[in-house]
Amino acid sequence: AQSVTQLGSHVSVSEGALVLLRCNYSSSVPPYLFWYVQYPNQGLQLLLKYTTGATLVKGINGFEAEFKKSETSFHLTKPSAHMSDAAEYFCAVSGSGGSYIPTFGRGTSLIIHP
Amino acid sequence: NAGVTQTPKFRVLKTGQSMTLLCAQDMNHEYMYWYRQDPGMGLRLIHYSVGEGTTAKGEVPDGYNVSRLKKQNFLLGLESAAPSQTSVYFCASSYSQAGTQYFGPGTRLLVL
Repeated sequence: AQSVTQLGSHVSVSEGALVLLRCNYSSSVPPYLFWYVQYPNQGLQLLLKYTTGATLVKGINGFEAEFKKSETSFHLTKPSAHMSDAAEYFCAVSGSGGSYIPTFGRGTSLIIHP
Repeated sequence: NAGVTQTPKFRVLKTGQSMTLLCAQDMNHEYMYWYRQDPGMGLRLIHYSVGEGTTAKGEVPDGYNVSRLKKQNFLLGLESAAPSQTSVYFCASSYSQAGTQYFGPGTRLLVL
């Protein structure tokens, strides 16, 4: 069964600082990888996704993530945090172990300090 | 184009009562999903459907039933609600199994 691990249930950064949210997955084959964002009292929305091709994926709102097969990682970064980035972020994987039903990580709450 | 909608937005139930949550999508997606979200647990898949008339169990199906009689609708039923089913429920749909999921706004359910 595929699994997703998000390191750190909470990440706190200052406005303008680098954002790094970590995601590792278990898979023996290249999977499909997603990052979703959830703003308070809303549903999830896609931030970016990796399917095939270029391993550096750019998403909305200045976020990007890099697929590293050797490390089985798909960390999310943003060079400069903005107050509006405060939200819950979820990493998801599908296509591993023959199952294309997505598996979600437990989420990381991003806190931005002024 | 409303995307994915969920009804109701909020509900309070007493233990043992039943209810149905409705999810509707207008994107002609084949795949639909029901998740529950609890603090520290992320999203856990309850049931899903790969097309009209089909349903399958997810990670936490006990205590829930689903039906997909029409392609655009996916219903989640609780026959006898329990306090452990207090949660926020999200519906999602996608064009393909590995495709982007589009989520509804959620239903907050409190079981007393």
